[in-house]
Amino acid sequence: EAGVAQSPRYKIIEKRQSVAFWCNPISGHATLYWYQQILGQGPKLLIQFQNNGVVDDSQLPKDRFSAERLKGVDSTLKIQPAKLEDSAVYLCASSLMQGASSNEQFFGPGTRLTVL
Amino acid sequence: SQQGEEDPQALSIQEGENATMNCSYKTSINNLQWYRQNSGRGLVHLILIRSNEREKHSGRLRVTLDTSKKSSSLLITASRAADTASYFCATDAPTSGTYKYIFGTGTRLKVLA
Repeated sequence: EAGVAQSPRYKIIEKRQSVAFWCNPISGHATLYWYQQILGQGPKLLIQFQNNGVVDDSQLPKDRFSAERLKGVDSTLKIQPAKLEDSAVYLCASSLMQGASSNEQFFGPGTRLTVL
Repeated sequence: SQQGEEDPQALSIQEGENATMNCSYKTSINNLQWYRQNSGRGLVHLILIRSNEREKHSGRLRVTLDTSKKSSSLLITASRAADTASYFCATDAPTSGTYKYIFGTGTRLKVLA
């Protein structure tokens, strides 16, 4: 079974520029997550989709971050404009079940973003 | 906000020794999960323990859960160099009719050959 795919793996941009990340979850997985992981910290949930609807985006900085999951499959996360503090690894994960508290999440390799 | 706090933040042991790391959390949970993250990679699910379970085993892993103390521990027995990684606990929290997961700060484990 193919895993969660993410691209690009690395991205370097200057502050105030825009950037977009792409994620393709495991086929059939209803739930998709975007996390931000700052160096030395645990992943922080930015947004969670169930199929193509948003179930939680409470920690997404909506003035600069946006995400969509068209057709309930792959997803893009965009930052516009980027700030220095956005430098982090952006992880995408997916899980099979809907509405269950025991969901095992499968993570992609992440995109390492550096904002100069 | 991060609900889980792991300790120690970093741990260095010799190959063959056991490694124990702890996770404390703040609110009631249904499940607690442990994940491993190798340097530069995504996280990998290790084990899930439900709130009505006190102990669970998987290979060289042993997880305990004490809901009265809101804490969990992960024990890796007979450690190997390949166990070098960061380990995170994740607790569930209800959101919009489903659940989200809140990760702790992680323990960085280094196993010396």
